[in-house]
Order: sequence, then C-alpha cells, then structure tokens
Amino acid sequence: DADVTQTPRNRITKTGKRIMLECSQTKGHDRMYWYRQDPGLGLRLIYYSFDVKDINKGEISDGYSVSRQAQAKFSLSLESAIPNQTALYFCATSDSGRVNEQFFGPGTRLTVL
Amino acid sequence: GEDVEQSLFLSVREGDSSVINCTYTDSSSTYLYWYKQEPGAGLQLLTYIFSNMDMKQDQRLTVLLNKKDKHLSLRIADTQTGDSAIYFCAELLSGGSYIPTFGRGTSLIVHP
Repeated sequence: DADVTQTPRNRITKTGKRIMLECSQTKGHDRMYWYRQDPGLGLRLIYYSFDVKDINKGEISDGYSVSRQAQAKFSLSLESAIPNQTALYFCATSDSGRVNEQFFGPGTRLTVL
Repeated sequence: GEDVEQSLFLSVREGDSSVINCTYTDSSSTYLYWYKQEPGAGLQLLTYIFSNMDMKQDQRLTVLLNKKDKHLSLRIADTQTGDSAIYFCAELLSGGSYIPTFGRGTSLIVHP
C-alpha cells in the first residue's frame, strides 16, 4: 500500500464550486505539505503543517485553505474554484530529520472549467 | 522556483551519458537534492548531497557540487529509456522554514 495517498486522483469542476482534496499518510510523519505543479513552473508550495496544531502559508496560498484533521490527514480546499487553479496538486510528508526528504503522493489532477 | 534554475529539456540517445545542470543563488544551502518524477507519479528522492561535499556517486549517478559557482549537476551514465522523466533540483537552506525550494524541473527524453 502507498505511504501517501491522495483522493480524488482526477477531478473536473466548474468555476465557483468548492473543492476539497484529501491526503492521508501512514509514514508517521509530523510534517505535511501541499504543492501545485504547473508545466514550466515546477513545484510551488501552497501550505504546510509541522504538526497537528501548526498551519503555515506557502508562497501561493491565496484562494486556498487547509485543515490538519489528524497527524495522518491534511486536506486542501478551494473555496471558490477558478480556471487558473487548474493544475496537478501534490501532497507530501517529511520527518523532522536533517535531510528532510519529502515523500510525495501520486497527485490529483484538477481541472476547473 | 526562481532561486533554483534548470533548463527545461534535455534529449539524449540511449547508452549515452546525461548531464542535468542546476544553479542556485543562496550560499546558505545545507542540502541539495535531485528528485525524479516519472510520468503520472509524484516526485521521489533520487539522491542528495550535503553542502560540505564536492561529489557523490551512487551506481550510475554522479552528483557534482561547485559551491563557488553555486552549480549542481547530475550525471546519469549509460542512460536508459527508463530514465526518461522530469528531474527536479532542490535546495534546503539553513534557518527559515527548513523546506526545500524546487527548481522548475528538466524533462529528460531518452531516445533509441
């Protein structure tokens, strides 16, 4: 079984709809992250959480919100989706070690029409 | 990703060596990484190097770090079609949020 899972894997929605992307992990890591990937722009950090009571904005948090429901669960919400939020979204986890290796989920492809 | 720069594409012939380059701007990097993203999958750590090292070798992979020029490279020997993927360079700075900054990724295309 995958250590980091994301649901749904694909989603098509319309402008203005509320969308939630979910992430679960079985690695026992405290740290969790949400990134979006756009062609030619690489990976950009949306939000991150270093433990259940900690939520921090990344470089592109506008239009997004997150919830850390438990150590193993971190969800990303788009309150009112817009077309330029069409992207590939990745959840990742890491431990608090020095190397800070990130473990990524398989991604959610979101299309906003 | 503007602090970490990579070219977007690299095309090589099967069996040749591939060299993927990366430049970074912050001299306080502690670790530098290469992640690999295969089609339809998330990123996976391929290798990393600590900033006090110049070179790291792991089977077909060689990482070179030039701290003076802030340049990192990944050499893949005997490149195979299975090496076709996007390769991301990333740096981890001391202090701050302690989260890696990723480059835009280099798409490696290996053709027969």
